[in-house]
Amino acid sequence: GENVEQHPSTLSVQEGDSAVIKCTYSDSASNYFPWYKQELGKRPQLIIDIRSNVGEKKDQRIAVTLNKTAKHFSLHITETQPEDSAVYFCAASITGTASKLTFGTGTRLQVTL
Amino acid sequence: DAGVIQSPRHEVTEMGQEVTLRCKPISGHDYLFWYRQTMMRGLELLIYFNNNVPIDDSGMPEDRFSAKMPNASFSTLKIQPSEPRDSAVYFCASSPHRGHGVRDTQYFGPGTRLTVL
Repeated sequence: GENVEQHPSTLSVQEGDSAVIKCTYSDSASNYFPWYKQELGKRPQLIIDIRSNVGEKKDQRIAVTLNKTAKHFSLHITETQPEDSAVYFCAASITGTASKLTFGTGTRLQVTL
Repeated sequence: DAGVIQSPRHEVTEMGQEVTLRCKPISGHDYLFWYRQTMMRGLELLIYFNNNVPIDDSGMPEDRFSAKMPNASFSTLKIQPSEPRDSAVYFCASSPHRGHGVRDTQYFGPGTRLTVL
């Protein structure tokens, strides 16, 4: 089955700096890669996703890149703000089938003032 | 839409007791997922349903766990008997029908924080 590895497990950046979180996956058939943000005590919420037919997707300060050859994808947050502090999860799945998301282990991002 | 609804939000019980967690998915969603989240093991998929039918229960830890989905708007996750190691946050999520060009986004409920003493 699919295996998703996520790094780093914790990340501390200063407000205004950029943050990058990286994930690798094992199943070359995976073609859908969402990122979820989970604030303390809250539910995971989708912030951005990418499909295998594109290499990059951007939404304001958040961007995701995908390298299918190397089987890795990354989340980039620019101009970080204190409200970006949360745990971020990457995931992978195969669309169009009765398949499931396989989540990474999460990255705890702390944005300091 | 109210989103995915879970009850109770918090549950404290004693070891050996039966625990039932409830979930109401978003109306019209065909898929329902049960997850367990702990510090040690992160977010684990326990079981998921498609059109009320269990598709993959390989994540259910042992026979003490069971899940049902009697109709499209209701699902339960039962633990009997409960043990302290079952303490975790249990999330229910739902997803619309999957197909070409359709988003696979999973929408999570607020979770149930279970504490087994």
